[in-house]
This record gives sequence, structure tokens and C-alpha cells, in this order.
Amino acid sequence: AQKVTQAQTEISVVEKEDVTLDCVYETRDTTYYLFWYKQPPSGELVFLIRRNSFDEQNEISGRYSWNFQKSTSSFNFTITASQVVDSAVYFCALKMNTGFQKLVFGTGTRLLVSP
Amino acid sequence: NAGVMQNPRHLVRRRGQEARLRCSPMKGHSHVYWYRQLPEEGLKFMVYLQKENIIDESGMPKERFSAEFPKEGPSILRIQQVVRGDSAAYFCASSPPVAQLSDEQFFGPGTRLTVL
Repeated sequence: AQKVTQAQTEISVVEKEDVTLDCVYETRDTTYYLFWYKQPPSGELVFLIRRNSFDEQNEISGRYSWNFQKSTSSFNFTITASQVVDSAVYFCALKMNTGFQKLVFGTGTRLLVSP
Repeated sequence: NAGVMQNPRHLVRRRGQEARLRCSPMKGHSHVYWYRQLPEEGLKFMVYLQKENIIDESGMPKERFSAEFPKEGPSILRIQQVVRGDSAAYFCASSPPVAQLSDEQFFGPGTRLTVL
């Protein structure tokens, strides 16, 4: 069965703190992709990153970084020096080779960054 | 290059009425996906369509819900005889014609359905 777990329901930090959002996934497929989306208060979904199951290199984009560890089935997302504009709900999602292209989402982590 | 368009953005219906949600994919995209987000929950897949074909409807409730993506015009998600439990945000996403596993899905702004 396929599943994405985001155990942290809500995280509150103060501006400039670093914060890590956890994502753990389950799949029997050997070929799959993992995604992170951001949902700001306005409600739309914004694509952040994708990672395929064969590429375990970490990635950094500005203040954002992602750590993919296949051994622990985790794809964690770190925001460095958080800002108020980072306040949003963040979703981790899984797309499998056998899944007809559908995304399986976690329940999301609400990040609140206060000034 | 317009993104995925959804209308209406907000829809209010009384119990028993019908709700029609429309989705126009990005230009050049021929794959459409519908997801539902219940309050305080993640998005749940409902249905995947290509032009004139339903590819995967494994997430659609068995009754009252239907979806189509005609040759011309937007994709429509139709909910008949709405109940309060249908209140949710409904998101449409699209992807390019040759669907690859690596393709991100581009999401519309969503339609917030409220059933009174």
C-alpha cells in the first residue's frame, strides 16, 4: 500500500529560526517520485521540488533544502532562517509508477512563523 | 501563458442541489486530475481524465459524483444532491500530453464548495 505520513500537524517558530518538516512514505514500487507543495493562506498549491527514487542527492535552493534518505523512507524539508512569508501548509506527496500518475498526499504540516 | 483555471472559486449550495465545478487545464495539457481537500486534511485523489476518457476513477465516491473531460471545453466535476459532507475545496490539476512519472502537476486555485 502507498502512504505518506507527515506526523507534525503544526509547527510554530520565530522568524530567523531554522525548521525541518518531516515526511515519511511507504510504497512497494522501486520507481517513484516525491514532491513538496506549499499552500499559502490564499489557498493555491505551489510546486516546490521533485525527487526521483534513484537520486539520493540532497538539494539546496536558497533557504530551502531537502534531505532524501531511501534507507529510512524519508524526504525531509528544511527552511533556514525562516521568514513570516514562509507561513503556509506544506504537503509532501508521492507518485508511483503503478499509480496512474496520481499523487498521494500527506496530511500536511502547518508552519506558523511569527515576527 | 495562463495557468490552470477553475470556476467558480466559491460555490454555495443547499442540500439536495447540484454542484458543477469547471476546470480548464493549462494550454497544451491534456491530462486532468481532480482532488478533494476536506477541512484540515490533505488532498485526496478523486479522478484522472484525458480528453473524452476516464483513466482512473478509483477515488470517486460511488454515488452522486461524476466527471467528464469532453473533446471541447473544460473538465466538469458534477456532484448531484449535495450533502453537508461534500463541503470541501476541490482542486484540479493538469499535466502535459505525454504523461511522465517525473511530471509535476500544475494546480488550479481550487473551488470552495459550501453546502448549507
